[in-house]
Amino acid sequence: EVQLVESGGGLVQPGGSLRLSCAASGFIFSDYSMNWVRQGPGKGLEWISYISSSSSTIHYPDSVRGRFTISRDDAKKSLSLQMNSLRAEDTAVYYCARQPQSLARGIDYWGQGILVTVSS
Amino acid sequence: QSALTQPPSASGSPGQSVTIFCTGTSSDVGGYNYVSWYQQQPGKAPKLMIYEVSKRPSGVSDRFSGSKSGNTASLTVSGLQAEDEADYYCSSYAVNKNLLFGGGTKLTVL
Repeated sequence: EVQLVESGGGLVQPGGSLRLSCAASGFIFSDYSMNWVRQGPGKGLEWISYISSSSSTIHYPDSVRGRFTISRDDAKKSLSLQMNSLRAEDTAVYYCARQPQSLARGIDYWGQGILVTVSS
Repeated sequence: QSALTQPPSASGSPGQSVTIFCTGTSSDVGGYNYVSWYQQQPGKAPKLMIYEVSKRPSGVSDRFSGSKSGNTASLTVSGLQAEDEADYYCSSYAVNKNLLFGGGTKLTVL
């Protein structure tokens, strides 16, 4: 069974940093690209980062580029998101999400999500 | 790049069909067959319902179908059931490899 379990969320002050982790199991982690997607309170989904299976390709939208860094450790079957210079608008539930090699396949599995609250 | 455009709400009675539209541009929806649809129940993670415009993952009911015409994709739910009440999001990859989501449509089963 595919499982993605996020951790590391919590309350952080504006301007602070936080590191999210995602533990993967039930599939060959190194065969898949991965994404982070977030959802603000009462809002829709927002994609915030992508990393290819080999870590050779990384993408971010403008809203987080330069502040967030995605990385992976295939040996530990783990995905991470380092978030710096956090703002109130970064408050959201953050999902770790699996991406098959073909972009056409969509995001086929999602973690349960972890809440990040940016507030003083 | 802007999010894809979806109506905020849609509704239908049990047994009826309802279609949700998702409008993008030639740089995303219209340019690639990379459209997916997700169902999100309250307090839950999204679930993939449709990928590659019209394909269903294993285990998804055939009451869900997808299509695309030009820059607009659509999700049709046939034979509406109470359990279909949820938020639905479309997504598409764009020319710059970014992943775009629609704003979401709340489907109500009357």
